[in-house]
Order: sequence, then structure tokens, then C-alpha cells
Amino acid sequence: DAKTTQPTSMDCAEGRAANLPCNHSTISGNEYVYWYRQIHSQGPQYIIHGLKNNETNEMASLIITEDRKSSTLILPHATLRDTAVYYCIHYLSGNTGKLIFGQGTTLQVKP
Amino acid sequence: DGGITQSPKYLFRKEGQNVTLSCEQNLNHDAMYWYRQDPGQGLRLIYYSQIVNDFQKGDIAEGYSVSREKKESFPLTVTSAQKNPTAFYLCASKGGLNTEAFFGQGTRLTVV
Repeated sequence: DAKTTQPTSMDCAEGRAANLPCNHSTISGNEYVYWYRQIHSQGPQYIIHGLKNNETNEMASLIITEDRKSSTLILPHATLRDTAVYYCIHYLSGNTGKLIFGQGTTLQVKP
Repeated sequence: DGGITQSPKYLFRKEGQNVTLSCEQNLNHDAMYWYRQDPGQGLRLIYYSQIVNDFQKGDIAEGYSVSREKKESFPLTVTSAQKNPTAFYLCASKGGLNTEAFFGQGTRLTVV
């Protein structure tokens, strides 16, 4: 099964950039990398996704390495409301159709 | 508004009883998923379905059953065979290969 590896937890000072890494060495050529976040006791929320190039939207930026085996989610100016668990996944193509989530990274933004 | 709805938000059941959790989506998504989440843990895949009348086991299917009779609906039954059913259950749906998944707000099941 496709698995991603993320640090268990990270801290970030309010107003600073939060950089969350993810390793996805089993990703195949046509699979996108997705990032979600989950605030306590809610359903995960989509943040951003990308294939090869770096991506940016109103919430975050996504940097994908050239070999596509890892990526970094960047929250440019973290706020206290960004405290959440962040999940990085990639979608298994072909017939399996699984969406496998790992343990995610708990980001604590501190004042 | 399009979305995915889980009901109820909280559910209490006595040990030994089967219970069915509802998941409905109006996003016209083919794929639907059920996850279990325990305190402080990530999401674990229970069952998933890519088309109507077809579904596959995930990583922790024992003690659970599902059906997919309609595209919009993917109910999950927690049976009495599930040894530790108390958990937070999340349903998701997804469109094409490179589109994001949408999650419901979850059902917190407590078995006493």
C-alpha cells in the first residue's frame, strides 16, 4: 500500500512560516500529492494538491522535489487557527482506488 | 449546496447491538470511503467503493459491513462482531483520479 511519512509533531510561532515535510517514495508517475488538515473532531479539509510543479493557493504553497519522492507544505504566515493535524497522501491509481492516510503531523502554532 | 452528510453526529448503542451510520453525497462522486479514527490517531480505512454495487475491504474491515445500492449513499453497519466499536467515523467521497476528496463531519459512536 502507498504510504507517506511525516513527522509526528511540529511547533511554529504565530506569524512565522510553517514548513511541513512529507516523504512519499512510492508515488507513481501519474499520482498527485494531496494535503489535508483536520481540526479536532471535524472532517479533514482539503488544502492543496500538485503533480510536479510547485503550487500556490490562498491557503498554502506546495513544493514538490524533482524526483517527486517528497514535498513540503508551506503556510506562509501561520495563525493560531492553523493548529491542526496535517495529512499528506497520494491517490493510488489503477483498480485499487484506495485513499490511505498516515498519522499526519500535529502542528501547534504558538503565540 | 453540494456536499457530503453524515448522520447522526453522536450515536450511543448498547454492546451487542448492530448500528448503521449514514453517509449521503450529492456531488455525483463515484468513489466513497469509510474511515475510523481513534483518539490521537490517524484515519484508518474500513471499506471503500468505486462504483455502485461494488465495494472493497480496507485495512480494518472486520466487524463492519457496507452496501452501495445507490451512487449517493454508502451506509456503514457496525456489527456486534466489532470488538471495540467506540470511535469517530468519517465518510468521504471523491470524483476523478486527480480531484480532492470531500469529508463529512463525522459520527462519534459510543458503545456502552
